[in-house]
Amino acid sequence: SYDLTQAPSLSVSPGQTARITCSGDQLGDKYASWYQQKPGQPPVLVMYQDSKRPSGIPERFSGSNSGNTATLTITGTQAMDEADYFCQAWDTTTSYVFGPGTKVTVL
Amino acid sequence: QVQLVQSGAEVKKPGSSVKVSCKTSGGTFSTYAISWVRQAPGQGLEWVGGFIPFFGTATYAHKFQGRVTITTGESTSTAYMELSSLTSADTALYYCATNTSSWYFFDYWGQGTLVTVSS
Repeated sequence: SYDLTQAPSLSVSPGQTARITCSGDQLGDKYASWYQQKPGQPPVLVMYQDSKRPSGIPERFSGSNSGNTATLTITGTQAMDEADYFCQAWDTTTSYVFGPGTKVTVL
Repeated sequence: QVQLVQSGAEVKKPGSSVKVSCKTSGGTFSTYAISWVRQAPGQGLEWVGGFIPFFGTATYAHKFQGRVTITTGESTSTAYMELSSLTSADTALYYCATNTSSWYFFDYWGQGTLVTVSS
């Protein structure tokens, strides 16, 4: 099976840059996507195909994917960005795989 | 813009089955795949399975094969997920989600249906 790993938590000060990483074997050869989930709400797609932003997602969100690591970067983090972030990839043997999630705290 | 509206919360006994629905609007139902993703309390996301109109068949995560059935009703633009032989480990929020733009990610999500398995 294919597995993705993420740090469980990340703290960032308002206005600073948050870098959320996701690791998997040769993840750079796959498309990585990212979802933001706030308490009591369904996930929201914030990045797809490594570095593409869906309509309505602020420009402060950016993404990259190379080697074994995909990164979601939030530049100028705001209080409203406090949420859980899940990475996701598609693998030929496992189909859709999600990372365990990173809880981002803005303080 | 696709909208997904799921059926209400369910409480089930261990060993029983549950069937959850997901009614879609917007877009063309037959042109995009629809999946079910679950989230146990305080846990991460787990893909259960999905229906791919191109193949006209459902595909399931290995973990759930033999216990889950995903069907669609094209005339009603509704997808269904039935999970059988329920245990307390199946207690979770079940989301439907679509791949309207690309196979590789989920761009629209339903609001979630809480399934509680308890004796």
